[in-house]
Amino acid sequence: LAKTTQPISMDSYEGQEVNITCSHNNIATNDYITWYQQFPSQGPRFIIQGYKTKVTNEVASLFIPADRKSSTLSLPRVSLSDTAVYYCLVGVTGGYNKLIFGAGTRLAVHP
Amino acid sequence: DGGITQSPKYLFRKEGQNVTLSCEQNLNHDAMYWYRQDPGQGLRLIYYSQIVNDFQKGDIAEGYSVSREKKESFPLTVTSAQKNPTAFYLCASRKDRGDNQPQHFGDGTRLSIL
Repeated sequence: LAKTTQPISMDSYEGQEVNITCSHNNIATNDYITWYQQFPSQGPRFIIQGYKTKVTNEVASLFIPADRKSSTLSLPRVSLSDTAVYYCLVGVTGGYNKLIFGAGTRLAVHP
Repeated sequence: DGGITQSPKYLFRKEGQNVTLSCEQNLNHDAMYWYRQDPGQGLRLIYYSQIVNDFQKGDIAEGYSVSREKKESFPLTVTSAQKNPTAFYLCASRKDRGDNQPQHFGDGTRLSIL
């Protein structure tokens, strides 16, 4: 199972773009990259998932370089409500394959 | 996630007591999971089930038991053998038909020892 490394914490200000990078040097050919957001005392919420290049949805973008050894979650124009822990996961979710949740990145957005 | 309901939200356990945490989903998902989260930590997998009447141990299954008699239900029992049960417990489900569908989570049950 591919191990991921992400910063423990980040700080930003309202209205700024935030980029959180995740390293996954041992990513396998079939692995997808998935990002979750978690608020205190709530379950993680799916943000975005991708395999290669760029994926964009209504809340975030995910950039994956050609070698797929890292990925960057981009949150445009963050607000105070984006203060949360963000998890990067790498794996195949089909069958009995497991996903590993690390400690995540604690993002604090300041006024 | 509105499709996954965990109850109760808070639970207290006495020494030597077994307690059962409920997880129900109406998403028609095949796979279901139980995770444990300790303060400031990531999630650790306790048990998971891909289909009814079948489940597999995760990384920290000791002191826990599960059943999967119905597709929509995956209750977790924290037994007296689990000596440090105080944690935040999260249930998840996922549609499993070969695609990389993401897991969807409930809002958790916080278990404490009296």
